[in-house]
Amino acid sequence: SAVISQKPSRDICQRGTSLTIQCQVDSQVTMMFWYRQQPGQSLTLIATANQGSEATYESGFVIDKFPISRPNLTFSTLTVSNMSPEDSSIYLCSVGQGAGANVLTFGAGSRLTVL
Amino acid sequence: EDQVTQSPEALRLQEGESSSLNCSYTVSGLRGLFWYRQDPGKGPEFLFTLYSAGEEKEKERLKATLTKKESFLHITAPKPEDSATYLCAVQAYGNTGGFKTIFGAGTRLFVKA
Repeated sequence: SAVISQKPSRDICQRGTSLTIQCQVDSQVTMMFWYRQQPGQSLTLIATANQGSEATYESGFVIDKFPISRPNLTFSTLTVSNMSPEDSSIYLCSVGQGAGANVLTFGAGSRLTVL
Repeated sequence: EDQVTQSPEALRLQEGESSSLNCSYTVSGLRGLFWYRQDPGKGPEFLFTLYSAGEEKEKERLKATLTKKESFLHITAPKPEDSATYLCAVQAYGNTGGFKTIFGAGTRLFVKA
């Protein structure tokens, strides 16, 4: 299965700033997904980022707050803009693999703390 | 609305004490049901995919089963290294084509030696 590297692994940020998380995959993949995992909770899908098209955002998430880039088949970024303490969370990049690309492989996540 | 509910939230077992984790779901257009394992500080790791009622999958001490409304993850004679959070997820067709995966809140399993 694909190996996914995320940067940064963790960061402490000030309120009002923005942070970009990078996701690098060791193979070409069509479907990439960004999830948020708040403390003690499960994973919530932020958006689907397929190469060659605009990212598709889930209800409750907007492009101005979470802009996503997908310049090629091995790389994507998620920016968390104008951060507040409520954005403190783990952000996970994942890719779809297998028949139908339905099995998700995840990166280790980026743990953000907003003060 | 597509929804996944897992129970119990936490489960404490003695080594060798078998048990089951439950995942109930409501979804339109089910593509598949998935079980993942998540260790602290790591992303979820894929365990099983189930596609139709009656299907079963096994891997070492784990066995996953599926009905039309729920799935069970049976753990036989667990060991301390089985301690982790087990996540259930359903995959459904998205509103704009493609698909999306919806996760339950997970069951935190603690196995004591």
